[in-house]
Amino acid sequence: AQTVTQSQPEMSVQEAETVTLSCTYDTSESNYYLFWYKQPPSRQMILVIRQEAYKQQNATENRFSVNFQKAAKSFSLKISDSQLGDTAMYFCAFMKRYAGGTSYGKLTFGQGTILTVHP
Amino acid sequence: GAGVSQSPSNKVTEKGKDVELRCDPISGHTALYWYRQSLGQGLEFLIYFQGNSAPDKSGLPSDRFSAERTGGSVSTLTIQRTQQEDSAVYLCASSLAPYRGQGANEQFFGPGTRLTVL
Repeated sequence: AQTVTQSQPEMSVQEAETVTLSCTYDTSESNYYLFWYKQPPSRQMILVIRQEAYKQQNATENRFSVNFQKAAKSFSLKISDSQLGDTAMYFCAFMKRYAGGTSYGKLTFGQGTILTVHP
Repeated sequence: GAGVSQSPSNKVTEKGKDVELRCDPISGHTALYWYRQSLGQGLEFLIYFQGNSAPDKSGLPSDRFSAERTGGSVSTLTIQRTQQEDSAVYLCASSLAPYRGQGANEQFFGPGTRLTVL
């Protein structure tokens, strides 16, 4: 079984600054995906960024980037130029990737980090 | 539709009653997932549908929980004889069918149903 741990229950940052959210995971799998999801007060979960474990290059999506350290089983999210709209709960999630046969997308989530961006 | 919809958005019920929660996935999405979000347990997987079949029901917490999907579209999660510990937000997500060899397909989530059991 996989576990995902987010050790920061809450974080805050000033608008326009940079913040990093931490995530570690434990798995015996070699093929998997990692995700960061954002959940604003509306409850709607939104995919922020994804990383395929077999890719060395860290994923980036505009102001969002990850630091993926496979050996350390660490997957942190960096938000640059923070905006008020980034205020939300952020979840790190793990998905097993099957080497053969049909894979499916059951997600295992961390406990979440509440991020508040202050003006 | 434009996105995943769930109904009702909020449900308050009395202990011991049965409830039904509905999920309408994005048109064309053959994969459908139910998750539960609660203060004590965080976000937990409940069940996965591919078409009308549920190859993975491993997350259903007890036999009071059941789910079905009809026509490869709408899904209903039923909780019988509700207990206070069932109080949570129930989230539904859908995605395109996960194909062999392809990358994981993004799961699109609905806004959830907040269930309160008194």
